[in-house]
Amino acid sequence: EAGVTQFPSHSVIEKGQTVTLRCDPISGHDNLYWYRRVMGKEIKFLLHFVKESKQDESGMPNNRFLAERTGGTYSTLKVQPAELEDSGVYFCASSQGNQGGSPLHFGNGTRLTVT
Amino acid sequence: DAKTTQPPSMDCAEGRAANLPCNHSTISGNEYVYWYRQIHSQGPQYIIHGLKNNETNEMASLIITEDRKSSTLILPHATLRDTAVYYCIVRVFDNYGQNFVFGPGTRLSVLP
Repeated sequence: EAGVTQFPSHSVIEKGQTVTLRCDPISGHDNLYWYRRVMGKEIKFLLHFVKESKQDESGMPNNRFLAERTGGTYSTLKVQPAELEDSGVYFCASSQGNQGGSPLHFGNGTRLTVT
Repeated sequence: DAKTTQPPSMDCAEGRAANLPCNHSTISGNEYVYWYRQIHSQGPQYIIHGLKNNETNEMASLIITEDRKSSTLILPHATLRDTAVYYCIVRVFDNYGQNFVFGPGTRLSVLP
């Protein structure tokens, strides 16, 4: 089965521009998560979808970040307008169930550089 | 904050077993222990998880103490490709369901 795929793998944009990251979860996985690692810091949770609904968005840093998952399949994470501190690697993960024991499977991330 | 404590770094000779410890003294009864690793700039890779019993799969073994306050990930025959940062994670069940909290992990260096 195909794993979690993310697009693009790298993105370089200027401060003030908009960027949209895409994540395709493993087929059949209702749970989709976004995480990010900024330079020198630990991987941090951003938000969690169950199908198309936002279950937990407590980790979203501010209202410049907008995540969507229309139809409960792939998800997008838009940053508008981007700031320098948004640079980092954005990871997407998916899991099959919402019960204890269901591991998260991560994609290889999108490396975002804001200049 | 992460609910786990791991040594920041460890070395292991190639071909030998790598034993990575993790303390999770505040773990609750319904929380699982998960292990992931991150190689270079790739995404975190799932290794193994367990609740109470020891677990083994094709990648590793997980030994959980009887009181569940600590665990050890064992890579039976470490290779150079096992050099990575290893994360021990206790799954947090909150009102929304679940959330993984990553700590700094253990940087394992497998030496030739």
